[in-house]
Amino acid sequence: GAGVSQSPSNKVTEKGKDVELRCDPISGHTALYWYRQSLGQGLEFLIYFQGNSAPDKSGLPSDRFSAERTGGSVSTLTIQRTQQEDSAVYLCASTREGGGTGELFFGEGSRLTVL
Amino acid sequence: AQTVTQSQPEMSVQEAETVTLSCTYDTSENNYYLFWYKQPPSRQMILVIRQEAYKQQNATENRFSVNFQKAAKSFSLKISDSQLGDTAMYFCAFIGAGSYQLTFGKGTKLSVIP
Repeated sequence: GAGVSQSPSNKVTEKGKDVELRCDPISGHTALYWYRQSLGQGLEFLIYFQGNSAPDKSGLPSDRFSAERTGGSVSTLTIQRTQQEDSAVYLCASTREGGGTGELFFGEGSRLTVL
Repeated sequence: AQTVTQSQPEMSVQEAETVTLSCTYDTSENNYYLFWYKQPPSRQMILVIRQEAYKQQNATENRFSVNFQKAAKSFSLKISDSQLGDTAMYFCAFIGAGSYQLTFGKGTKLSVIP
């Protein structure tokens, strides 16, 4: 596709359930980011992938959060045993390579609601 | 660590008027980039304008321009001839040269009133 694609667009789940959020970056983009946007807050960095390098997981808020990127393309963010405070919009972005000169291309996000 | 502060949670402007959104940042780096991103109700963030810190000239993109004051660490966005489609959240962001991690402000919600 032409842009960053995220699915599902909206997800409602019950507390304690696991969820998976998917991101399909722009073809050829080697860098991929996950951000979390809570109501009234800015973007909170979660994790960064760059090529075959070890990901920067420093933003993951707890060990219930994990992410992987298979084949250097599609990424999946997994939240285990969801809590109400996990409710937020999860944004994925990609860029040709990580670095300050490039702009990030964002998807439309996945809105997660934990009941 | 860098911080980005947007002191105006919400603003409104009449259609066709001009509005300025404020952003200040704190960093010890000398070389960096600053961005304004727009997030309309569709949620997809798009880049509005970018400024390189080593360039003294303020960036301009059609109706959007910035006032970059490096010494004051200020980076405001001016929207001229505001249009209804400008209604969105606007985020100021910072990245150090050679870094990969953007730091975002908390955003300013702009409403353009017809």
